[in-house]
Amino acid sequence: GAVVSQHPSWVICKSGTSVKIECRSLDFQATTMFWYRQFPKQSLMLMATSNEGSKATYEQGVEKDKFLINHASLTLSTLTVTSAHPEDSSFYICSARDLDGRMNTEAFFGQGTRLTVV
Amino acid sequence: AQKITQTQPGMFVQEKEAVTLDCTYDTSDPSYGLFWYKQPSSGEMIFLIYQGSYDQQNATEGRYSLNFQKARKSANLVISASQLGDSAMYFCAMRGVVSGGYNKLIFGAGTRLAVHP
Repeated sequence: GAVVSQHPSWVICKSGTSVKIECRSLDFQATTMFWYRQFPKQSLMLMATSNEGSKATYEQGVEKDKFLINHASLTLSTLTVTSAHPEDSSFYICSARDLDGRMNTEAFFGQGTRLTVV
Repeated sequence: AQKITQTQPGMFVQEKEAVTLDCTYDTSDPSYGLFWYKQPSSGEMIFLIYQGSYDQQNATEGRYSLNFQKARKSANLVISASQLGDSAMYFCAMRGVVSGGYNKLIFGAGTRLAVHP
């Protein structure tokens, strides 16, 4: 199956600093990557859809200036949480769709990143 | 609007028994896909099984099978011969067309499965 790698798996940062999370497709080229956020004991909520070479599409209610998404290559998308605050503490996870649009590739997720802002 | 409903917040099953996790969906799109994921305490999302809306047969993957009843709009996950390692959160998700031309997965609230020895 398709392999999606996410780094780091966990991070603790001080309030006011920025944190970058990477999402890589290891064995396929991803035209589209998806970023999700999951609060404890809740379901995954899509934050934004990241497309290679173009601006990300953000879901309603997601601050695009706070959650910066860059998809500079077909294998890498990054999510930067800017000026992080304790309420940004959450589990962030990405998934990716390949160039051929095979449906099942978007089924594969990275390992997730647990962000704690202190 | 597209929606996924999982009505069972928690389920218990005895080891080696079979268990069914319920999932109903709502969509007006004739073409869609249904997914099941397992999320252990480590947080990773493990893809289990996929069913396309036009697939004639129910999907099966090892001990996992998807009971797809299109008319009822249900896509229940059946886990046979439960193992202790099956204890986790299980999410049902649907892929459909959304605004901007990009498909996305819509997730249910999840069901926490506990397998007892």
